[in-house]
Amino acid sequence: GDSVTQMEGPVTLSEEAFLTINCTYTATGYPSLFWYVQYPGEGLQLLLKATKADDKGSNKGFEATYRKETTSFHLEKGSVQVSDSAVYFCALEGNYQLIWGAGTKLIIKP
Amino acid sequence: GAGVSQSPSNKVTEKGKDVELRCDPISGHTALYWYRQSLGQGLEFLIYFQGNSAPDKSGLPSDRFSAERTGGSVSTLTIQRTQQEDSAVYLCASSLGRSGANVLTFGAGSRLTVL
Repeated sequence: GDSVTQMEGPVTLSEEAFLTINCTYTATGYPSLFWYVQYPGEGLQLLLKATKADDKGSNKGFEATYRKETTSFHLEKGSVQVSDSAVYFCALEGNYQLIWGAGTKLIIKP
Repeated sequence: GAGVSQSPSNKVTEKGKDVELRCDPISGHTALYWYRQSLGQGLEFLIYFQGNSAPDKSGLPSDRFSAERTGGSVSTLTIQRTQQEDSAVYLCASSLGRSGANVLTFGAGSRLTVL
């Protein structure tokens, strides 16, 4: 069945470092792909999405490109801030719901 | 409403008691989901509603768990005879329709602690 694999956390970086959180997927067809973020003490919220191959989703300085050749949707940011500390979830479109990755905790140190 | 509302935000209960968790989705959202998130863990799917019907209850961990939705709006998740392993944050989300491509809007969650 369809599945999503994320890199394990926690990922710890210094402020202004470059961020990559890897996400790969297994799916039939070409589902939409998502990144959701959960800030401390808050509910999950959509960070960005891409609906077809080669699409790039972007928001708040984060980017992810839908790569069908490598079945990947890696999350990147050029310069992270302390406020980016959160748990990040990669997900793909299922029949009626999302298929979720396990989440990656990101810790940014000042 | 403007967002997904969940209540209570925190619930502490004794083992063996029943608890009810409430979710009020965004007005007009026909799809509603319940998830469970244990400390440091990912999202565990519990149940999905489309309108008042629950096409997929496969994630409910045991027959102590049940959920209903009335009027295509508010949903209640009930846990009977709570156990310590039920301690977790219970998340509710809603979306516009049945497609898995629709964006989910989550509530802030209900944190359940079973002593």
